[in-house]
Amino acid sequence: AQSVAQPEDQVNVAEGNPLTVKCTYSVSGNPYLFWYVQYPNRGLQFLLKYITGDNLVKGSYGFEAEFNKSQTSFHLKKPSALVSDSALYFCAVRPREDSNYQLIWGAGTKLIIKP
Amino acid sequence: DGGITQSPKYLFRKEGQNVTLSCEQNLNHDAMYWYRQDPGQGLRLIYYSQIVNDFQKGDIAEGYSVSREKKESFPLTVTSAQKNPTAFYLCASSDGYNQPQHFGDGTRLSIL
Repeated sequence: AQSVAQPEDQVNVAEGNPLTVKCTYSVSGNPYLFWYVQYPNRGLQFLLKYITGDNLVKGSYGFEAEFNKSQTSFHLKKPSALVSDSALYFCAVRPREDSNYQLIWGAGTKLIIKP
Repeated sequence: DGGITQSPKYLFRKEGQNVTLSCEQNLNHDAMYWYRQDPGQGLRLIYYSQIVNDFQKGDIAEGYSVSREKKESFPLTVTSAQKNPTAFYLCASSDGYNQPQHFGDGTRLSIL
């Protein structure tokens, strides 16, 4: 079965330090890859996507993600964390071969940035 | 501004009652989705629709129903058959295979 794994339920980072939120996937072919952020009691906001091309993708709020085909990973990164980055982060994948627009979702990672 | 509007923000359901959650989008997107989110958990797909007058069951469709009579509207009914409806419900839309889904701000449903 196709799946997306976010191996850490929670990541704790000190403000100003770099952060990484991990995502690996088990999907056939070369999927489309997405990251979203969710603040409390809000909907999800799109951060960035990988379609093709450069393995390093830049997105909103200073976030970036690195696509690694051999490791089937798409880790979210930021060079310097802010307290306001504290939120729930979701990785999602869409197989290119699928005829529908559905996404396969990771379970989410809670990111806590401490002052 | 283009976006997705979900209403109401909070909803309470009595025993044996059906309730309907509204979702409207003005993004001109073909596809719309309903997700359920439980505390500390990810998203589970309830129903999705890729075109007007057509919709498909997702992973947890039992106890729910939808309609798609207009492109911009995709209401979700939580029926009395759904025995554990307390959750945060999210509506989303998208347009294109490689395009992100856009989300509303959700409806929180609770049991009275």
